[in-house]
Amino acid sequence: TQLLEQSPQFLSIQEGENLTVYCNSSSVFSSLQWYRQEPGEGPVLLVTVVTGGEVKKLKRLTFQFGDARKDSSLHITAAQPGDTGLYLCAGDPAGGTSYGKLTFGQGTILTVHP
Amino acid sequence: KAGVTQTPRYLIKTRGQQVTLSCSPISGHRSVSWYQQTPGQGLQFLFEYFSETQRNKGNFPGRFSGRQFSNSRSEMNVSTLELGDSALYLCASSLVLRSTGELFFGEGSRLTVL
Repeated sequence: TQLLEQSPQFLSIQEGENLTVYCNSSSVFSSLQWYRQEPGEGPVLLVTVVTGGEVKKLKRLTFQFGDARKDSSLHITAAQPGDTGLYLCAGDPAGGTSYGKLTFGQGTILTVHP
Repeated sequence: KAGVTQTPRYLIKTRGQQVTLSCSPISGHRSVSWYQQTPGQGLQFLFEYFSETQRNKGNFPGRFSGRQFSNSRSEMNVSTLELGDSALYLCASSLVLRSTGELFFGEGSRLTVL
């Protein structure tokens, strides 16, 4: 069973601060996604990273895929209250044949205070 | 383009009853996956359907079952409900693209078992 360990589990910061969320595994993933989920809603895809060492930027969010494709990080610059939510990483196992079965991390609950 | 639609959004059942949840995927998506989300376990994979065939199943008891219809709509059923089945049940659809494994989630069906 491939596991994704996400840290930290909880993050409470003030508006304007920077933060980083980590997603680590001992297994290789062919791709890794980051999702954001708000209460009462389903997760919404933020980004997909596919290539080892890849860095993608989405406004104030920077996503990185590790060189060995076993880990990823999400960095938010100058966090805003609107960034509050549950952040989930999810990996597509390398060599798998399923399109829908992703392995999810436990999630990071981010709260940004005004 | 309509998103993934899940019905009902909320439901309350008692132990021993059974429940059926419905999911309509994004038009053109042929893969439908189901996940159970609880505070303690996070998102856990239930099963995945493609072309009316179950292609993957997670580690859940046989009380959990599902099916997919020719129009790609899917249903999942839980029989003999237990208190621990209380959760948010998420349906996700995806294109049949091997490279990214991106999922598009519905808003979920919140099941409470009393």
